[in-house]
Amino acid sequence: GAGVSQTPSNKVTEKGKYVELRCDPISGHTALYWYRQSLGQGPEFLIYFQGTGAADDSGLPNDRFFAVRPEGSVSTLKIQRTERGDSAVYLCASSLIGGTVPKEQYFGPGTRLTVT
Amino acid sequence: AQSVTQPDIHITVSEGASLELRCNYSYGATPYLFWYVQSPGQGLQLLLKYFSGDTLVQGIKGFEAEFKRSQSSFNLRKPSVHWSDAAEYFCAVGPSSYMEYGNKLVFGAGTILRVKS
Repeated sequence: GAGVSQTPSNKVTEKGKYVELRCDPISGHTALYWYRQSLGQGPEFLIYFQGTGAADDSGLPNDRFFAVRPEGSVSTLKIQRTERGDSAVYLCASSLIGGTVPKEQYFGPGTRLTVT
Repeated sequence: AQSVTQPDIHITVSEGASLELRCNYSYGATPYLFWYVQSPGQGLQLLLKYFSGDTLVQGIKGFEAEFKRSQSSFNLRKPSVHWSDAAEYFCAVGPSSYMEYGNKLVFGAGTILRVKS
C-alpha cells in the first residue's frame, strides 16, 4: 500500500516568507509525528498528533511554527517569518496507536526546506 | 532527559567484512530502542527494535542488535556487509512506560557507513 507522502519534496524560500509543508499519512494511522533533521544531525521531534489534536507540541522551537491536522488525516506544518536557521529536512511519520508497546513509526521521504 | 550517543560519525568497512555500529543511551528506566537506516533521498526505514525479552534482536537485511543494560548500549551488527548497506544509520530511544497516545523518539546523530569493494 501507499506509504507516507510529503509535499513538496524541496522548497526554497526567502527569509521572512511563510511556508506550508504537507504530510499524507498512511491510511488508518491515527498518530502523526513531525520531526526536523538538520544537516549532520538525527531527526528531532517537533509535534505529535493523535487524531485531530496535538497531543504533544513540546518540540516546536518557537511560535513561528504551527501544525494542524483538521480532519485527522493530512497534516500541514506552517512556518511563519522563516529564518535561515529553519533550513532542514522536515520529516513526517505516522503510526497506529493502542496496546502496551509502541507501534512502528513509518517515515515519509521528507521535505527539504532551504531559506535563503 | 533521554539522549542517544552514536560515537562514530563515519565508518568504512570492506564488502564482506563484519560491521558493528555503536549506540549508547541515557534513560531512567528500560527504554524502547530502535535502529533506523536512511538512504539518500529515502525515508527512514526501521531495521529492528527492542522492547523486552531476549536481548539479542534480529532485524531485516541480516542485521541484529544486542541490548546490554549494564553498558546502556544497543549496538548494531551484521556479519557480512554488502555494498547496498552503504547508508546512514540512526539509533533511537523511546519511553518504556505505558503510553496510550504514541511514542516520540529521540535519535542519535547518526553514523554514515561507507562500503569499499
